[in-house]
Amino acid sequence: KAGVTQTPRYLIKTRGQQVTLSCSPISGHRSVSWYQQTPGQGLQFLFEYFSETQRNKGNFPGRFSGRQFSNSRSEMNVSTLELGDSALYLCASSLGGLREQYFGPGTRLTVT
Amino acid sequence: TQLLEQSPQFLSIQEGENLTVYCNSSSVFSSLQWYRQEPGEGPVLLVTVVTGGEVKKLKRLTFQFGDARKDSSLHITAAQPGDTGLYLCAGAFTSGTYKYIFGTGTRLKVLA
Repeated sequence: KAGVTQTPRYLIKTRGQQVTLSCSPISGHRSVSWYQQTPGQGLQFLFEYFSETQRNKGNFPGRFSGRQFSNSRSEMNVSTLELGDSALYLCASSLGGLREQYFGPGTRLTVT
Repeated sequence: TQLLEQSPQFLSIQEGENLTVYCNSSSVFSSLQWYRQEPGEGPVLLVTVVTGGEVKKLKRLTFQFGDARKDSSLHITAAQPGDTGLYLCAGAFTSGTYKYIFGTGTRLKVLA
């Protein structure tokens, strides 16, 4: 069974630009959660989608948004990038609820 | 606000030594997961504990869930260089809605 895939793996952007990250969950998993990981703040929850609906949201500004498609693939968008958005962005898939989460390799975003 | 504190933050030990990592909260978890993350990769799920007092073993790793489901520990026997990595605990909470809170992490280095 293929694992969670994330594209791209690495990304360099300039302040003020926007970026879209993609996540393909494990086959059969309908829940996708997004996390931001930084050395100072650790792993912080951004949002979760289940069957194309956002079910949970963390404490991030509205510049961070996401969506999920009918095939469960999910995208995350960050608009008006700031230097502080530099981080490893991880997505995790699960069957939903508090079932076990399986993480992808992450997208390393660097904002210059 | 739920918080998960892990200790110690950093640990550098010699191959063959034993170690214990702790994960503590003032809130009750529905379940708790332990992950290991290597540089540039996503966290890999090691174990899920659900029942208070539960003990699970994974080769040289022993995981324990506190009786009150507010704390957990990870014990590694005879550590090996391959155990090097960032160990994360994640507590699942169901207060109103459900969510995962990640601990601050324990960075382990095992020297040959």
